[in-house]
Amino acid sequence: NAGVTQTPKFQVLKTGQSMTLQCAQDMNHEYMSWYRQDPGMGLRLIHYSVGAGITDQGEVPNGYNVSRSTTEDFPLRLLSAAPSQTSVYFCASTTLRGRDLGEQYFGPGTRLTVT
Amino acid sequence: AQSVTQLGSHVSVSEGALVLLRCNYSSSVPPYLFWYVQYPNQGLQLLLKYTSAATLVKGINGFEAEFKKSETSFHLTKPSAHMSDAAEYFCAVSDTNTGNQFYFGTGTSLTVIP
Repeated sequence: NAGVTQTPKFQVLKTGQSMTLQCAQDMNHEYMSWYRQDPGMGLRLIHYSVGAGITDQGEVPNGYNVSRSTTEDFPLRLLSAAPSQTSVYFCASTTLRGRDLGEQYFGPGTRLTVT
Repeated sequence: AQSVTQLGSHVSVSEGALVLLRCNYSSSVPPYLFWYVQYPNQGLQLLLKYTSAATLVKGINGFEAEFKKSETSFHLTKPSAHMSDAAEYFCAVSDTNTGNQFYFGTGTSLTVIP
């Protein structure tokens, strides 16, 4: 299993540009999520999904869109990048059933800089 | 909403000394509780999880955590620190009723002094 994969690993955007961060998992997990990590603030939930076709907002959703057309993929779209979106982004997945419920697997992260 | 508080953003211990990283949660109902470790430039890895089956939870790399309902705490300990334990540690909580949102603490950076 590859686990959770994310692309790209690094990205530099200019203010106003849009882009999509890709995330995929091969563990058949129902739950997928996106976090941003900023110094001194821990991880903050952006959006999450409990299954294909179902998404919901987390703590800091503004400026981001998501979709979940398949179980495996959960892309994060930045609509119009702003310097405040400079951060490290992590995708994670977990099952919502059984003994492993809630045990999240994280991708390696995407380091985004917006100038 | 749930929340967790990690006391001490930076903790330094000598190699071989006890590691104690503190985490307190806010909930009237015992939730799922987690500890994750993050090594530099990597994603987070699960250390251990509390699910009410036992108050003392053993995890990987010799770490363990004790759930204390009366103190709403879930502190992480390791009897003897190793240089390879130097990393960022995060406590997280999930609402057992919905199970679909996870809340992370702000993290504790552990330094191990040789």
